[in-house]
Amino acid sequence: QVHLVQSGADVREPGASVQISCRPSGYTFTDSFIQWVRQAPGQGLEWMGWINPDAGGTKYAEKFRGRVTMTRDTSIKTVFLELSGLTSGDTAVYYCARGMPFMAEFDLWGQGTLVTVSS
Amino acid sequence: QSVLTQPPSASATPGQRVTISCSATTFDIGNGWVHWYQHLPGAAPKLLIYRDHNRPSGVPERFSASKSDTSASLTISGLRSEDEAIYYCAVWDDSLFGAVVFGGGTKVTV
Repeated sequence: QVHLVQSGADVREPGASVQISCRPSGYTFTDSFIQWVRQAPGQGLEWMGWINPDAGGTKYAEKFRGRVTMTRDTSIKTVFLELSGLTSGDTAVYYCARGMPFMAEFDLWGQGTLVTVSS
Repeated sequence: QSVLTQPPSASATPGQRVTISCSATTFDIGNGWVHWYQHLPGAAPKLLIYRDHNRPSGVPERFSASKSDTSASLTISGLRSEDEAIYYCAVWDDSLFGAVVFGGGTKVTV
């Protein structure tokens, strides 16, 4: 079975950074781009960007440029999302999803990771 | 910023049909593919319709979608209680910086 398994919930203070991991299984790690989408409480879905697990290339949503970094570690077949300069507005469930670049078609989703920003 | 507009809510009784619209305010929705997601409470979003009108394996035939030059729509026929969820349309908007754009979501109540 194919899955995207994400790291567990995290609590961070304002101004800190958070890193979330996403480990694909059941398919070849380098075959598909991984995209990140978040949902703040009571809000809709918001796209953050993508990473190519093969070459490592990234594209970030303009809103997050300068604060977000997406990386991958091919040795452990895992991709990472790091978001810095956290504010309460970054409190959200963060999802990784499998999807090709320049498309909004995400056929496989992780279970979601709740990040709470609070002092 | 590009915006996809959906009605915030829709409701119908079991067995009836509900249709959700998705329209673009700043770009031509007819130029690219529209995808639809079902987001059940406490679960991850699920791809419901891809590339305007296609159902992934396992999605019941009572979910259908269409698109015109100016808007897209999702129809749920034979509504069931388990269809109660938030439904999002999504597109790739290649204007300006390029981004995936989600509609605001429509809460369907059965």
